[in-house]
Amino acid sequence: DAGVIQSPRHEVTEMGQEVTLRCKPISGHDYLFWYRQTMMRGLELLIYFNNNVPIDDSGMPEDRFSAKMPNASFSTLKIQPSEPRDSAVYFCASSTNSGGPYYEQYFGPGTRLTVT
Amino acid sequence: QKEVEQNSGPLSVPEGAIASLNCTYSDRGSQSFFWYRQYSGKSPELIMSIYSNGDKEDGRFTAQLNKASQYVSLLIRDSQPSDSATYLCAFDTGRRALTFGSGTRLQVQP
Repeated sequence: DAGVIQSPRHEVTEMGQEVTLRCKPISGHDYLFWYRQTMMRGLELLIYFNNNVPIDDSGMPEDRFSAKMPNASFSTLKIQPSEPRDSAVYFCASSTNSGGPYYEQYFGPGTRLTVT
Repeated sequence: QKEVEQNSGPLSVPEGAIASLNCTYSDRGSQSFFWYRQYSGKSPELIMSIYSNGDKEDGRFTAQLNKASQYVSLLIRDSQPSDSATYLCAFDTGRRALTFGSGTRLQVQP
């Protein structure tokens, strides 16, 4: 089975530009998570969806960030306008209810974003 | 107070030794605990999950959970240089999202 797929793998953009990151979760998984990882702050949850509905977006740093999940197999994280402090690795992860209180998450390869 | 505490390391052990990684957490409502391994430049990879007090073994890995003391640990037996990575502990408080520690960097010396 294919794992979580993310694109692009690397993105370099200039400050002020719009950036769109994409994610395809594992087929059949009903939870999708967006994380950001930096040396200073570690791995932070930005937002997560259940059955395509945003459940918790309290980790989204500011209004410049937005996320959508139009269907079960696709999600986007958009930053507009981008700033140098947004430079980080952005991970998408997915999980499903395996029948108990167990929600093991599986991560995609990440998108390394550099904003100059 | 941080929700998850991990020693950042590096923890250096010789090849063949037992590596012991520890994690403490502050939320007594936590139900599910996970250990992820992350190689440099790669994504976190789930290696162990544990939900009940006690030990859970999987190959060379043993996860230990003590909810009363609010700690979870990971033992790696017969450590190999390929085990050199950052190990992240994480827990789920029931809201389906994980809170991660900052990770412990493990170095296994050949």
